Amino acid sequence: GNSVTQMEGPVTLSEEAFLTINCTYTATGYPSLFWYVQYPGEGLQLLLKATKADDKGSNKGFEATYRKETTSFHLEKGSVQVSDSAVYFCAHKGGYGGSQGNLIFGKGTKLSVKP
Amino acid sequence: NAGVTQTPKFQVLKTGQSMTLQCAQDMNHNSMYWYRQDPGMGLRLIYYSASEGTTDKGEVPNGYNVSRLNKREFSLRLESAAPSQTSVYFCASSDVDRGFLHFGNGTRLTVT
Repeated sequence: GNSVTQMEGPVTLSEEAFLTINCTYTATGYPSLFWYVQYPGEGLQLLLKATKADDKGSNKGFEATYRKETTSFHLEKGSVQVSDSAVYFCAHKGGYGGSQGNLIFGKGTKLSVKP
Repeated sequence: NAGVTQTPKFQVLKTGQSMTLQCAQDMNHNSMYWYRQDPGMGLRLIYYSASEGTTDKGEVPNGYNVSRLNKREFSLRLESAAPSQTSVYFCASSDVDRGFLHFGNGTRLTVT
């Protein structure tokens, strides 16, 4: 069935380090892919998205490329900041029950950035 | 911009009690959703409403009911709360054409 697998955390980095959070998916066809971020005590916010193969989504220094051949959508940032500490969720438009809007989420990866 | 508003933010129930979680959105979205978030489980869909007047079960609907009161409001009801329903509940809405969800800030529910 449809699913999203992302690397388990927590991930702890020093400020200015390079970040990669791996995400792979299984799905029927080629769904839109998303990264959401959840800051402490808040709901999820869309970080970036890609709608077709080879698209690169980017926002706030984060990037992810839709790789059809490896069914992956890895999140990267060249230089993390303390303010990037949050939980990151990979998701695809899984369409549970046929609804176009439903997303299938990974389990989340907690990132802690130390000064 | 209010976006998606959920009430209450926190709630403690005893086993067997009932309650309704409220959700409202002001973005004129057709679709609304209820998810629960549990440690190590990510987010799981409870129910969704693709449009006003329709509701459908998601991945984990047992023990819950929903009402799409109008286009703005989508409530989640626990008729007889159980400790297994201790979780953080998120409401979301979407404009299907744009393809992504807008989330509320969540309701943290504890059932003792």
